[in-house]
Amino acid sequence: EPEVTQTPSHQVTQMGQEVILRCVPISNHLYFYWYRQILGQKVEFLVSFYNNEISEKSEIFDDQFSVERPDGSNFTLKIRSTKLEDSAMYFCASSEDRNYGYTFGSGTRLTVV
Amino acid sequence: KNEVEQSPQNLTAQEGEFITINCSYSVGISALHWLQQHPGGGIVSLFMLSSGKKKHGRLIATINIQEKHSSLHITASHPRDSAVYICAASYNNNDMRFGAGTRLTVKP
Repeated sequence: EPEVTQTPSHQVTQMGQEVILRCVPISNHLYFYWYRQILGQKVEFLVSFYNNEISEKSEIFDDQFSVERPDGSNFTLKIRSTKLEDSAMYFCASSEDRNYGYTFGSGTRLTVV
Repeated sequence: KNEVEQSPQNLTAQEGEFITINCSYSVGISALHWLQQHPGGGIVSLFMLSSGKKKHGRLIATINIQEKHSSLHITASHPRDSAVYICAASYNNNDMRFGAGTRLTVKP
């Protein structure tokens, strides 16, 4: 069964450093999403991406965050200058159509120290 | 405010029991999702529905648009069903709001 692949599975970074979280969505999917889950809290929507542009973003997705689809297969989330409160599990998801179910990746656990 | 509320927060059942998890949402949605999160953290999409009822194996999801309420049922529960079940509502098909999850433990 097709999978959404996320790398790395765990990343530790120093506060203030830039991180790039990578995702490879399912190949025929057109809609891409990033979510985060701070330990012990709800999953939160960050951003959705379609047709090479952001289609929706939450209030969490401020100027520190950016997304890119650099080569037609990868979908990346960049955090420019990490803060301690960015520590969370980040999930990527994709869907073939916005009316179809989503497939989630297994997540990247980001720890900012 | 686009809130999604789930109940119960925690649920313990004996193997074989019929389980119901409830979800309510505050404003009109485009779709309602049921997700399963395992202890390792991975999320699996179980259902996406905008009306009526869907069934997959021992899992059944229903939604009542007028009452803004959805339920997830598990028949003949098994210890491997133990996980956190999350209800999430799509608004405008892109933004998604998540419930806090229901931690289900099924004992043998």
